[in-house]
Amino acid sequence: TQLLEQSPQFLSIQEGENLTVYCNSSSVFSSLQWYRQEPGEGPVLLVTVVTGGEVKKLKRLTFQFGDARKDSSLHITAAQPGDTGLYLCAGIQGAQKLVFGQGTRLTINP
Amino acid sequence: GAVVSQHPSWVICKSGTSVKIECRSLDFQATTMFWYRQFPKQSLMLMATSNEGSKATYEQGVEKDKFLINHASLTLSTLTVTSAHPEDSSFYICSARDPRGGRTDTQYFGPGTRLTVL
Repeated sequence: TQLLEQSPQFLSIQEGENLTVYCNSSSVFSSLQWYRQEPGEGPVLLVTVVTGGEVKKLKRLTFQFGDARKDSSLHITAAQPGDTGLYLCAGIQGAQKLVFGQGTRLTINP
Repeated sequence: GAVVSQHPSWVICKSGTSVKIECRSLDFQATTMFWYRQFPKQSLMLMATSNEGSKATYEQGVEKDKFLINHASLTLSTLTVTSAHPEDSSFYICSARDPRGGRTDTQYFGPGTRLTVL
């Protein structure tokens, strides 16, 4: 089973600061997804990256897929309290299965 | 985007009873659905892959006789936790694969079901 290491697992910062969350693996994934999950709810897809080196932007969120398709990062600029939540990366394995990282619990303090 | 529902959203049961959780894709047909379990402050762990009209494929370490999965139609999969015990208490989440996603695999997640076994 391919494993995804996500870091940091917990992050608490002040409103307005920037942050980066990392998702690393020793294996290659055909594509990688980032989700955000609120307490008591299912994960919601933020983005899918498919091509090595690909960069996608979603407002203040920037997602990058590593050139070798083994790692990815999520960068948030000028974080806001509304960004608080659990961020999950997930790699696509064969047979359509998603392999999730451990998650990063992000808290943005006003 | 596509919508996936789960029912019930939460359930409390006594130890030894069985609980059925439903997962429905509301606006698309899903030939494949997935069941996950999430313990507090942890990530999602895939339990099984449910394929319409065939037997589910279980992940290593998941007891198929305890977690019965039925995918009788293209819009409904059910997970039955048989003879539930307190250690089965968890957040159960399903997802449905939208075949219209093309090259990229798109799974839509349900809102989850909180199971508490007393």
